[in-house]
Amino acid sequence: RKEVEQDPGPFNVPEGATVAFNCTYSNSASQSFFWYRQDCRKEPKLLMSVYSSGNEDGRFTAQLNRASQYISLLIRDSKLSDSATYLCVVLTDSWGKLQFGAGTQVVVTP
Amino acid sequence: SAVISQKPSRDICQRGTSLTIQCQVDSQVTMMFWYRQQPGQSLTLIATANQGSEATYESGFVIDKFPISRPNLTFSTLTVSNMSPEDSSIYLCSVHRGETQYFGPGTRLLVL
Repeated sequence: RKEVEQDPGPFNVPEGATVAFNCTYSNSASQSFFWYRQDCRKEPKLLMSVYSSGNEDGRFTAQLNRASQYISLLIRDSKLSDSATYLCVVLTDSWGKLQFGAGTQVVVTP
Repeated sequence: SAVISQKPSRDICQRGTSLTIQCQVDSQVTMMFWYRQQPGQSLTLIATANQGSEATYESGFVIDKFPISRPNLTFSTLTVSNMSPEDSSIYLCSVHRGETQYFGPGTRLLVL
């Protein structure tokens, strides 16, 4: 079983709609959680950290459910520029070792 | 933020040859990380490079195949040795700063 699992998608989303997807992790001792965005042929870039209480950054909302070991990302009012692959990233130990999900592809259409 | 550059940005190589990828960071860091991202896959950590000591390799990766140098706190190299088509991938250098992991632009390698 992979340590971090994501639905690969693609999620085809009309512009202006809301899309949400989850990521599950297997290591219950995982400490920190992140969503990264990767555009085609580019390096991953941090979108947002995920906090226990849930957090929001503009149109993006991230949630953490430790009991069920998953995190979620919700994108409201989708823009064409939101089209990308969203990587779920989990910090598994204090040495900074990260585990990456395979990514969820989001395609926002006009 | 962290500014990371990599050279070369891409290369096409013949099987059996070796390629050395360079990574330069804009300020000193203790650890530098090398990742591989195969087509359609997510990132896999190859090794962690500390200045002044041997790199620590993840399961499935060995020093003979991926020798790493870390001569100072801002620079590292990763060599992909005796390449085969299965080594075709994107290789990314990465550093941790604050709460964020930053990535270089990647080296796109195609082995024929």
